[in-house]
Amino acid sequence: DSGVTQTPKHLITATGQRVTLRCSPRSGDLSVYWYQQSLDQGLQFLIQYYNGEERAKGNILERFSAQQFPDLHSELNLSSLELGDSALYFCASTSGTGEKLFFGSGTQLSVL
Amino acid sequence: GENVEQHPSTLSVQEGDSAVIKCTYSDSASNYFPWYKQELGKGPQLIIDIRSNVGEKKDQRIAVTLNKTAKHFSLHITETQPEDSAVYFCAGSFGNEKLTFGTGTRLTIIP
Repeated sequence: DSGVTQTPKHLITATGQRVTLRCSPRSGDLSVYWYQQSLDQGLQFLIQYYNGEERAKGNILERFSAQQFPDLHSELNLSSLELGDSALYFCASTSGTGEKLFFGSGTQLSVL
Repeated sequence: GENVEQHPSTLSVQEGDSAVIKCTYSDSASNYFPWYKQELGKGPQLIIDIRSNVGEKKDQRIAVTLNKTAKHFSLHITETQPEDSAVYFCAGSFGNEKLTFGTGTRLTIIP
């Protein structure tokens, strides 16, 4: 167990809908990262937060947004969902240096 | 740019034999190279990492080697066991706080 908790584990929704993925980092970790894993593109970095502030942005679509709350949990919001958004979404946390990421078990999103 | 290439994409080895997975990177500013193991239904788990000022690091049956001049690093697993079957990802940190991952290697250990 990595200590990173992601909910829900599975999410099935329809095109055009909006969903929220939740992540609770390891105790004491200030940094939260979101990655998308699809079959043909491996692990793609989406966004990073550090102590509530956005720190880095990757290949995140404008339809996607995220935030980190004062209690350090983070949420990834995906809107106007398309079939191609179906993927595993991972959250990872670390103490802040960008090394030794601890990953959650992921949320499997299926857009039908 | 920040790019990590990983080979092979799939690898099958007999139990007890060694497995080697290789990664190359393009940005010479890279200074940290971790390897992650992902088992079915789970998130990636860090198994070993190496910094750019070290050429080799070992932890029991796994080792990582780094060639900064050639910009490549490799994961070596010796005396493979069935529980080593998983997808392995290399990654690099390029001076910022995020990791760029390779595309993964599916390792299958044949009993």
